[in-house]
Formats: sequence, structure tokens, C-alpha cells
Amino acid sequence: AQRVTQPEKLLSVFKGAPVELKCNYSYSGSPELFWYVQYSRQRLQLLLRHISRESIKGFTADLNKGETSFHLKKPFAQEEDSAMYYCALPGSGTASKLTFGTGTRLQVTL
Amino acid sequence: DSGVTQTPKHLITATGQRVTLRCSPRSGDLSVYWYQQSLDQGLQFLIQYYNGEERAKGNILERFSAQQFPDLHSELNLSSLELGDSALYFCASSVRVMGEQFFGPGTRLTVL
Repeated sequence: AQRVTQPEKLLSVFKGAPVELKCNYSYSGSPELFWYVQYSRQRLQLLLRHISRESIKGFTADLNKGETSFHLKKPFAQEEDSAMYYCALPGSGTASKLTFGTGTRLQVTL
Repeated sequence: DSGVTQTPKHLITATGQRVTLRCSPRSGDLSVYWYQQSLDQGLQFLIQYYNGEERAKGNILERFSAQQFPDLHSELNLSSLELGDSALYFCASSVRVMGEQFFGPGTRLTVL
């Protein structure tokens, strides 16, 4: 069964410090992984997907098939990055549901 | 707002009652998904509809049902409510059966 694991419930960093939000997955086949972000009192938004290999708001994520990981990284955290971050894996075949990790709350402090 | 909309924003009801949550997808999106977010279970996929037909089912209880209407809006019906059904219910939509999902603001259901 496919599964997404985000081991940290809370990650607290200082402004300007590097950020790494961990995500590990189990999936049979070639996964397409996503990171969603939920700012306070706002809806879930797609932050980035590994297929596009783009950087959004300074965040990047590399799919490591050997380690089955898709960690989210940013070299210098900003206060506005404080939010809940969810790693997600779509279903296999024609099932397009998203399987989410439990989420990590990123808290950026001065 | 041309994004996904959900009504109501908040709903407070009693155990044993029945409620209906409504979702309007983005203009042009044919697929609608329902998710439940609770403190202990996290974000869980419930059900997906595509162009009026059920497409995929997740951890949806038998007490819950959904449908998608010809105008593509969707309703999630929750009956015989229990305290444990208290959660945030999100709707999402996408253009195709599989594709980027855009989320609504959610409906917060509180069962007392």
C-alpha cells in the first residue's frame, strides 16, 4: 500500500536558517510527488511537484528513489514561510486520489 | 472568486443528525474530490467524482454519501453523525480525472 511519512510534526527554525522538511514514501512504480502548503486560515495550495522540477518561493524538492524521499528544502527561511506543509502522493492507475502525509508545521522565528 | 467554493464555512450540529456540505468546483473542472481532515487521522481521501460519475472511493463511511450534479457542483451528505465526525471537510477539483487538485477553503463540522 502506498504511504507518505512526514516524521516531524513541528519544525522551528530561525529566520535566515536553512529548512528541510522531510518526506518519505512507499509506492510501487514511478511516483509523482507533491508538496502542498496551508498558510494560517487559508486553503491548501500546491507548492510544487517533482515532475516540474521548478523552484517556488525559494523551495525545491528532489525525488530520491533510492532513499524513497522527497524532502522539501529552502536555503534561507523567511517569516512568511510559517505554515503547515503536506507531502502527497497520487493514487496508482486511474485512481487520482491524493495520499497525504500527516503534515509538518514550520515555524520561522526572528 | 473563480476558485473552488464550499458552503457553509462552519456547521455545528448534534449527534444523530444529518448534514449536507456543498462544493462548487473551479470553472471548467470536471473532477471533484472530498477529503476529511481531523486531528487524529490527518487528511484522508473520501471520494472522487468525474463529470457526474463516481470515480474513486477512499475511507468513506457507509453513513456518508456524495453526488455530483449536472452543473458539476457536488454535495457530501453525512448522516447519523457521531462526535468523531467532527473535522474539516475539504473539496478539491481538477480539470481531468488525474491532475493538479485545487482545494476549497473547507467546511468545519462540529458535532456536539
